[in-house]
Amino acid sequence: EDQVTQSPEALRLQEGESSSLNCSYTVSGLRGLFWYRQDPGKGPEFLFTLYSAGEEKEKERLKATLTKKESFLHITAPKPEDSATYLCAVQAGGGSEKLVFGKGTKLTVNP
Amino acid sequence: NAGVTQTPKFRILKIGQSMTLQCTQDMNHNYMYWYRQDPGMGLKLIYYSVGAGITDKGEVPNGYNVSRSTTEDFPLRLELAAPSQTSVYFCASSSPVNTEAFFGQGTRLTVV
Repeated sequence: EDQVTQSPEALRLQEGESSSLNCSYTVSGLRGLFWYRQDPGKGPEFLFTLYSAGEEKEKERLKATLTKKESFLHITAPKPEDSATYLCAVQAGGGSEKLVFGKGTKLTVNP
Repeated sequence: NAGVTQTPKFRILKIGQSMTLQCTQDMNHNYMYWYRQDPGMGLKLIYYSVGAGITDKGEVPNGYNVSRSTTEDFPLRLELAAPSQTSVYFCASSSPVNTEAFFGQGTRLTVV
């Protein structure tokens, strides 16, 4: 069964304090790994897709990386507006169109 | 370009009542999904569809039904609402080429 585990569940940072969020996964043939940002009361907002080990993608202060067993979302010099819940999801290969989500990491960045 | 639109945004149901959550997308996406999100539990897939006329069960389908008569619309039907169906429901869509899913704003449902 495909599984996604995110850690930590919650993370508090001071503005400018860099850190990383972890997403560990087990899947039968990874087709894609996705990172989403979710603000309170809103739907998830797409950030990145990673397809193969060694791949990296960046957007502003965020950088996502992928290995064969996990993905990291690195946040460099975060700002209070980066506060949100970050969700990781995987899509298995073999014709499956389903996304399996982790429970998310709630990030709070204090000014 | 509206993306994925869900209605209603909020709803309170009594136990045993039925309702339909509406979802429509204007991106001509083949794939559509319904998820529920409970506090601290992440998103769970209820049903999904890979095209008009084709639907399949996800992880938690019991108590729900779907239909997909057009590419744009993917309504979710709740029959005989139960307190366990209190949740936030999200509809999403994606294409086979660009596999990232786009989500609606959600429907917050309370069953009392």
